[in-house]
Amino acid sequence: DAKTTQPPSMDCAEGRAANLPCNHSTISGNEYVYWYRQIHSQGPQYIIHGLKNNETNEMASLIITEDRKSSTLILPHATLRDTAVYYCIVRALEYGNKLVFGAGTILRVKS
Amino acid sequence: DTGVSQDPRHKITKRGQNVTFRCDPISEHNRLYWYRQTLGQGPEFLTYFQNEAQLEKSRLLSDRFSAERPKGSFSTLEIQRTEQGDSAMYLCASGRSGGHTGELFFGEGSRLTVL
Repeated sequence: DAKTTQPPSMDCAEGRAANLPCNHSTISGNEYVYWYRQIHSQGPQYIIHGLKNNETNEMASLIITEDRKSSTLILPHATLRDTAVYYCIVRALEYGNKLVFGAGTILRVKS
Repeated sequence: DTGVSQDPRHKITKRGQNVTFRCDPISEHNRLYWYRQTLGQGPEFLTYFQNEAQLEKSRLLSDRFSAERPKGSFSTLEIQRTEQGDSAMYLCASGRSGGHTGELFFGEGSRLTVL
């Protein structure tokens, strides 16, 4: 699986958009970009995934660059409950499908 | 609540003792994964099952660790002769094979403290 690079931490004001970047310059054509988050003392939670098109769901939007070497997770109106570690993961849908986590980005939403 | 339950949530044991964790996945999920997480790190993959077959084991899974999923439903992770370095959160996740299977559902974990 391709490696990803994320900033170790970010701050965001409550009510503002949180934009979390991820670099995955060695991504292969069959690899998807996944985002999970982990709130303190809980297991990771799926947020969104995409291949090459931008995606949006009730939680967030995922913007993938045209060359697919980087992506941005957008939380449109961050709340204090969005404070968590956010993991960007790239992987192919091969047999097994295990997720390989990096250190992620600690997002602190401040009032 | 994701539907994946783990038991116990917390376990304190003395070095050298054996411990066992249980995971009950979402009932229709045929894949089950175990991860270990230490403070400040992302979860590390340990092993996974498809139905009752254990299909992959990480190098992290030493001989003291054994996992089973006897009937393709719940799973157990046993650690024998625990060491202080085994102190961690043990996470279980379940998912479905076939089609787009990216989403894994995680339990809240079992925290192990080895004294």
